[in-house]
Amino acid sequence: GAGVSQSPRYKVAKRGQDVALRCDPISGHVSLFWYQQALGQGPEFLTYFQNEAQLDKSGLPSDRFFAERPEGSVSTLTIQRTQQEDSAVYLCASSSTGTGVYGYTFGSGTRLTVV
Amino acid sequence: SQQGEEDPQALSIQEGENATMNCSYKTSINNLQWYRQNSGRGLVHLILIRSNEREKHSGRLRVTLDTSKKSSSLLITASRAADTASYFCATDFSGTYKYIFGTGTRLKVLA
Repeated sequence: GAGVSQSPRYKVAKRGQDVALRCDPISGHVSLFWYQQALGQGPEFLTYFQNEAQLDKSGLPSDRFFAERPEGSVSTLTIQRTQQEDSAVYLCASSSTGTGVYGYTFGSGTRLTVV
Repeated sequence: SQQGEEDPQALSIQEGENATMNCSYKTSINNLQWYRQNSGRGLVHLILIRSNEREKHSGRLRVTLDTSKKSSSLLITASRAADTASYFCATDFSGTYKYIFGTGTRLKVLA
C-alpha cells in the first residue's frame, strides 16, 4: 500500500481483556517497528522485526506483550490481560532498510484506552 | 527510557517568525532524524543528518549537528500556522537500527 496502515484506529478495552493491534507496513519494507507513546511523551521503542524475524524485543514492558510477523509483512501486537497503564498510542513504522537511513514511515497509530 | 531531550518543551511564536528547537542525546550515533507529529496523528519524517554532516537543509528546514556536544538543532524559517505540531528528534541508539525518540517540542504558530 501507499502507507503504513494500522487498525483499529481506536480501541477501548476493559481491564483484563486481551487486545490485538494490527499493522500493515508498506509493501516490500523489510523492517518493522512497534513503539508505544504515552500522552505528552515521545514514542518508546517496543520491538523490531526484520522480515519475519523478531530481532529485538527489549522494549516490551512485560510478558503480557507479544508481537509477531509470521510472513514478513503484516504484524500483530497482542497485549494480554490489559492494565490501565497500557493505555497509550501504539505506533507501527516500517523502513525499506535495516538501518532506517531513509527514515521510518509511521502509521497513524492505535489509541488504546483501558478502563 | 528516552535518549534525547528536546528544548524547549513548548514554543509559541507568530506566523512568519523563525522557530528553533534543540535536541541533546547521550550516546554516540550514526544518524539523527527529526520528525513532526500533528495532534492525534502519526509521525512524519522530516530530515536525516548523518554523524559526519554538520548541516543540512530541506525547504524551510535547517538542521545542524554537533557530535562533540551531542546536540542538534532544527530551525524552521518563516513559520506558518500549519507548522503547529510536536517535533521530535530520534537517534540511532549506539549506531544500531533502533531509533530512540526524545521528549518533543510542542510548537504553536499563531496566525
